[in-house]
Amino acid sequence: AQTVTQSQPEMSVQEAETVTLSCTYDTSESNYYLFWYKQPPSRQMILVIRQEAYKQQNATENRFSVNFQKAAKSFSLKISDSQLGDTAMYFCAFMKHETGNQFYFGTGTSLTVIP
Amino acid sequence: DTGVSQNPRHKITKRGQNVTFRCDPISEHNRLYWYRQTLGQGPEFLTYFQNEAQLEKSRLLSDRFSAERPKGSFSTLEIQRTEQGDSAMYLCASSLVWNEQFFGPGTRLTVL
Repeated sequence: AQTVTQSQPEMSVQEAETVTLSCTYDTSESNYYLFWYKQPPSRQMILVIRQEAYKQQNATENRFSVNFQKAAKSFSLKISDSQLGDTAMYFCAFMKHETGNQFYFGTGTSLTVIP
Repeated sequence: DTGVSQNPRHKITKRGQNVTFRCDPISEHNRLYWYRQTLGQGPEFLTYFQNEAQLEKSRLLSDRFSAERPKGSFSTLEIQRTEQGDSAMYLCASSLVWNEQFFGPGTRLTVL
């Protein structure tokens, strides 16, 4: 079974600063995908960034980047130059490669960006 | 708006009643997923369709739950004889490729 753990229920960051959200996972699979999804208050979840486990290079999307440590089974999200619109619940998720049938989500981290 | 839509957005019902939710995926997406999200938790997988075929069901989907996707387009999720423990946000997602899912806004169910 796959499990995803987010050990930080709540975090806050000053606007324009950098914040890192933690995620660890447990799996016996060798090939898989990892994701960070953002769920703003009362709005739908949207994909922030995606990492393929067989790629050593960390994914980046504008102000969002990940630190993927496969041996440690760690997948943290760094948000640079935090903006008020980044305030949301952030979920780390795991998907087995090429099954495409379900995500395994963590419990989420609530991020508040303080003006 | 061409995203995933769900109706109703909110549903309040009394224990023992039946409820049905609808999900309209993005039009060309052949995969459709249902998840349940309770307060303070991440979404949990319920079931998955590829076109009209229901390919996987979670053990969370008890006999009181049934999902359909007639003609491989919209999907419905029905809960019979609702219980207070069924109170949750029910999320629908759709995808064209296996490694990306687009989520709808969810239906929040409250069972009194």
